[in-house]
Amino acid sequence: ETGVTQTPRHLVMGMTNKKSLKCEQHLGHNAMYWYKQSAKKPLELMFVYSLEERVENNSVPSRFSPECPNSSHLFLHLHTLQPEDSALYLCASSQEGGQGYEQYFGPGTRLTVT
Amino acid sequence: GENVEQHPSTLSVQEGDSAVIKCTYSDSASNYFPWYKQELGKRPQLIIDIRSNVGEKKDQRIAVTLNKTAKHFSLHITETQPEDSAVYFCAASMNSGGSNYKLTFGKGTLLTVNP
Repeated sequence: ETGVTQTPRHLVMGMTNKKSLKCEQHLGHNAMYWYKQSAKKPLELMFVYSLEERVENNSVPSRFSPECPNSSHLFLHLHTLQPEDSALYLCASSQEGGQGYEQYFGPGTRLTVT
Repeated sequence: GENVEQHPSTLSVQEGDSAVIKCTYSDSASNYFPWYKQELGKRPQLIIDIRSNVGEKKDQRIAVTLNKTAKHFSLHITETQPEDSAVYFCAASMNSGGSNYKLTFGKGTLLTVNP
């Protein structure tokens, strides 16, 4: 696998379920991100981890809980979600501190909350 | 915080024509402006970016211009082809010490190139 991978690609869950989204980057980057992409809205930055420390939490409800066990893996734990949380969740990575500014995105997880 | 406005939201052109997408930003401290392309069902990918010390940058059929005084930047695609059809997002951030993690995105422009 190359680049940024995400699993699962599709997820349907009830409002009382607990699930986790997984992201893995194979680029040797030191920063990872979660974004939410809803129809007709801008990409919304949710969380940022740099060198495995959370450096940004963009006023995200506590029903979303990120985890970054190492620089290559990022998780988003979900519990008691609402239907309005249905969206495409994108993971991205970048190399901070150097000349590389590009954020590389994964293919996303299409989440449907019923 | 930063606010990025992007227009138009949809743009339809004939193959071979040019396409222009415009964005404005609110934070005068922003100094890094990337453009991402997202084809249907695929991930966003960086196509070009510009930093505030440069007024224009070109890469083959794609160019980006930046007007710091007016706080707006634009994407120009010449000789459009059907494979240019996608959603294009502009973004802005304040890059400090090589860190640009806080990208603020525009809402996107759906570009359709008709053969």
